[in-house]
Amino acid sequence: DAGVIQSPRHEVTEMGQEVTLRCKPISGHDYLFWYRQTMMRGLELLIYFNNNVPIDDSGMPEDRFSAKMPNASFSTLKIQPSEPRDSAVYFCASSDSDGYTFGSGTRLTVV
Amino acid sequence: SQQGEEDPQALSIQEGENATMNCSYKTSINNLQWYRQNSGRGLVHLILIRSNEREKHSGRLRVTLDTSKKSSSLLITASRAADTASYFCATEGGSYIPTFGRGTSLIVHP
Repeated sequence: DAGVIQSPRHEVTEMGQEVTLRCKPISGHDYLFWYRQTMMRGLELLIYFNNNVPIDDSGMPEDRFSAKMPNASFSTLKIQPSEPRDSAVYFCASSDSDGYTFGSGTRLTVV
Repeated sequence: SQQGEEDPQALSIQEGENATMNCSYKTSINNLQWYRQNSGRGLVHLILIRSNEREKHSGRLRVTLDTSKKSSSLLITASRAADTASYFCATEGGSYIPTFGRGTSLIVHP
């Protein structure tokens, strides 16, 4: 298994633009998580899905953030419009009863 | 909050020495996990300890859990330069969703 795959690895965008981050979880994992990591706040849980259904999105900072999981093998995190304070590393993770696996992250820079 | 808090924030040691990192939390948990993050990379799961366990070992890693003190420790024995990374504890409460601390940055000098 290739693990949790995130794309892109790096994204630089201008303020106001739409940004879409992508994640392919490990096949067979029934949970998917989106985290954001910054120096100031550490690792924050944004949203998680169980069997493609969003369970808890209370960590999503604002309405500018949205996440979807149209099927078991794909999820997106969208920021529209993006702002400089959204600059962070965004991690996707998936899990089953054996444990959690994180992707390598997307480093987002909004200028 | 059940978020774990690691201590110290930073640790610098020489190769061959042992490294001990601590994690404290505030509410009761079901599980506690330790993760490692190399610079610019994702988190890698190291070890999970359940609330009814007191100690677990994995290679050079030893994790203890004291639920009465709401604390856990991660010991890395005979450290190597390759152990240089950030180490995070993650607590799982009733929802079994991990909540992470801010991590301990470990530097092992060759």
